[in-house]
Amino acid sequence: NAGVTQTPKFQVLKTGQSMTLQCAQDMNHEYMSWYRQDPGMGLRLIHYSVGAGITDQGEVPNGYNVSRSTTEDFPLRLLSAAPSQTSVYFCASSYIGPYSNQPQHFGDGTRLSIL
Amino acid sequence: AQSVAQPEDQVNVAEGNPLTVKCTYSVSGNPYLFWYVQYPNRGLQFLLKYITGDNLVKGSYGFEAEFNKSQTSFHLKKPSALVSDSALYFCAVRAGLDSNYQLIWGAGTKLIIKP
Repeated sequence: NAGVTQTPKFQVLKTGQSMTLQCAQDMNHEYMSWYRQDPGMGLRLIHYSVGAGITDQGEVPNGYNVSRSTTEDFPLRLLSAAPSQTSVYFCASSYIGPYSNQPQHFGDGTRLSIL
Repeated sequence: AQSVAQPEDQVNVAEGNPLTVKCTYSVSGNPYLFWYVQYPNRGLQFLLKYITGDNLVKGSYGFEAEFNKSQTSFHLKKPSALVSDSALYFCAVRAGLDSNYQLIWGAGTKLIIKP
C-alpha cells in the first residue's frame, strides 16, 4: 500500500537550473496538491488539482508549473531555480467527496537546496 | 481574512502528564477542523477531524480534540503523554463547502515530551 510517493527525496540544484519533482498516488484520489514547508511558516500551497486536466494556483505559485494528465500523477516543475525556493516540498492527495471534509494523505517530502 | 493560529511554538511536557496543544481559527461559515502530526523527515499524518456533532473528537494514538465554537478553538489533548508523542503538530481548517478544498494551516507547534 504505497499511498503518496515522492521522488527524489533529496536534490541540490544550481541557480537557474530546472527540474521536476514527481508525485504519484495509488488511492484514486481526485484532489492533489503541492506545498512547501519553511521553518516557522507552516505549509504554503503552491498548486492544486481537483482532477485530471484541471489545475489551479495556490498561495505561492510563482516560479512553479504543474500539470495533471492522469489521476495518479501530479509533477511539480521548477522553471529556473532560485535560492528562495530552497525548501521541503510535500505532495498531498485526498478523496473529494460531497462535503470536502476528507483528510489529506502526504508523501514524505523532497528536500531541495538551491545554491 | 481566514486564519489559523497556534500560539505556542513549543510545548514541553513531562512523560505521563496531560498535554494540550492550542489552536484557534478565524473563518467564515462552518469550519472543518483537522490535526496532523509530523515526525522528523516524514510527511504529515492525519490525527483527527471535527466536522459536526460532538464537540469532543477522538483520534489516533490516544489523542482527542475539543471544538469550542464560542472561543473558535480546537485544542489537541492527551491524558497521559508518551516520549514517542514528541513531534511537530499542525492544526488546519477548511472553510466549508466554498473553500475549493483548500486547507488553511497553522505554523505548527513542536511538542517535546521529557522522560
